[in-house]
Amino acid sequence: AQRVTQPEKLLSVFKGAPVELKCNYSYSGSPELFWYVQYSRQRLQLLLRHISRESIKGFTADLNKGETSFHLKKPFAQEEDSAMYYCALATQGGSEKLVFGKGTKLTVNP
Amino acid sequence: GAVVSQHPSWVICKSGTSVKIECRSLDFQATTMFWYRQFPKQSLMLMATSNEGSKATYEQGVEKDKFLINHASLTLSTLTVTSAHPEDSSFYICSASSTGPGNSPLHFGNGTRLTVT
Repeated sequence: AQRVTQPEKLLSVFKGAPVELKCNYSYSGSPELFWYVQYSRQRLQLLLRHISRESIKGFTADLNKGETSFHLKKPFAQEEDSAMYYCALATQGGSEKLVFGKGTKLTVNP
Repeated sequence: GAVVSQHPSWVICKSGTSVKIECRSLDFQATTMFWYRQFPKQSLMLMATSNEGSKATYEQGVEKDKFLINHASLTLSTLTVTSAHPEDSSFYICSASSTGPGNSPLHFGNGTRLTVT
């Protein structure tokens, strides 16, 4: 069965500190991984996807198939990064059906 | 960018009544839309896949007769919670893809907070 695990419900860091939000997945096929972000009172929006290999708002994430992980990282956190972050998995075959993790609430303190 | 509009943002209804939630893609056509449900402090759970012009595909455990989905046009999908009960109180979110099957990303609506009294 497909599963996405985000072990941390809450993560608090100070401004300028590095941040890593953990995500592990379980899927027997070839996964497509995403990170979605939800800022306060706003809708869920795509932050980045592993196939794009891009950096958005200073965030990067590398798919590690050996460790079945897709951790989200940023070297220097900013206060505006405070939000709810969801890791999501789309299964092979072009499916747009996403399996979401439970989310991690990131708080960046001044 | 692509925008998905969801209406209403919140609704309170009495037990036993039905509630309709609309999901519209404002500047793109969406042959497929998705309906999610989110309980407090829980993740988004996919309820069903709404296909334009055909029947929706429901996830295991989701009652299709309770959660009626209609996707009559390329820009509108509706979710009707029939004979609502307090346990149906939840946050319902729709999403749609602007690039067709196999090409995420999905664009999400703002969600609808349903409270059944």
